[in-house]
Amino acid sequence: GAVVSQHPSWVICKSGTSVKIECRSLDFQATTMFWYRQFPKQSLMLMATSNEGSKATYEQGVEKDKFLINHASLTLSTLTVTSAHPEDSSFYICSAWNRYEQYFGPGTRLTVT
Amino acid sequence: AQKITQTQPGMFVQEKEAVTLDCTYDTSDPSYGLFWYKQPSSGEMIFLIYQGSYDQQNATEGRYSLNFQKARKSANLVISASQLGDSAMYFCAMREWGTDKLIFGTGTRLQVFP
Repeated sequence: GAVVSQHPSWVICKSGTSVKIECRSLDFQATTMFWYRQFPKQSLMLMATSNEGSKATYEQGVEKDKFLINHASLTLSTLTVTSAHPEDSSFYICSAWNRYEQYFGPGTRLTVT
Repeated sequence: AQKITQTQPGMFVQEKEAVTLDCTYDTSDPSYGLFWYKQPSSGEMIFLIYQGSYDQQNATEGRYSLNFQKARKSANLVISASQLGDSAMYFCAMREWGTDKLIFGTGTRLQVFP
């Protein structure tokens, strides 16, 4: 099956710093990718739709200036958490459709101290 | 608006027994797709099974089958012959045509005991 990778798999950063998470589709092209956030014992919450070559579409309540998304190529989307705070600590997952199946990255666990 | 409801926060099943995880959905679109994913403690999302709204037969994938009752808007996942490795969170999801978003239910934590 298709593969989506994420890097890093986990990251610890200090409050106030920015963190970039990469999402790559390894064996297929993705004009659209999705970014989710998941808190412990909760479901996946869609944050934004990343569109290749254009601006991302953010879900209601998600701060676009805090969660910067760049989809520069057909295989790479990046999520940058700017000026991270402890409340941004979470599990971030990206995904992309390949035909009729949505493939998920392995996730990035962000801890902000 | 489309919605997925999973009413079972947690389920227990004995090894080798079958278990049904409930999922109901709400949509006004005639065309939709329903998915089940498994999420073990590692966090990865594992695709299990898919059912299209126009599919005449219930989907099956190995030990997984989907009990699709369109009139009742339910898409329950049946796991036969449960294994200890089936212990995980299970999410039901629906594809929103047009935006291609996946809308997730709240999930069911399944625990398989010996």
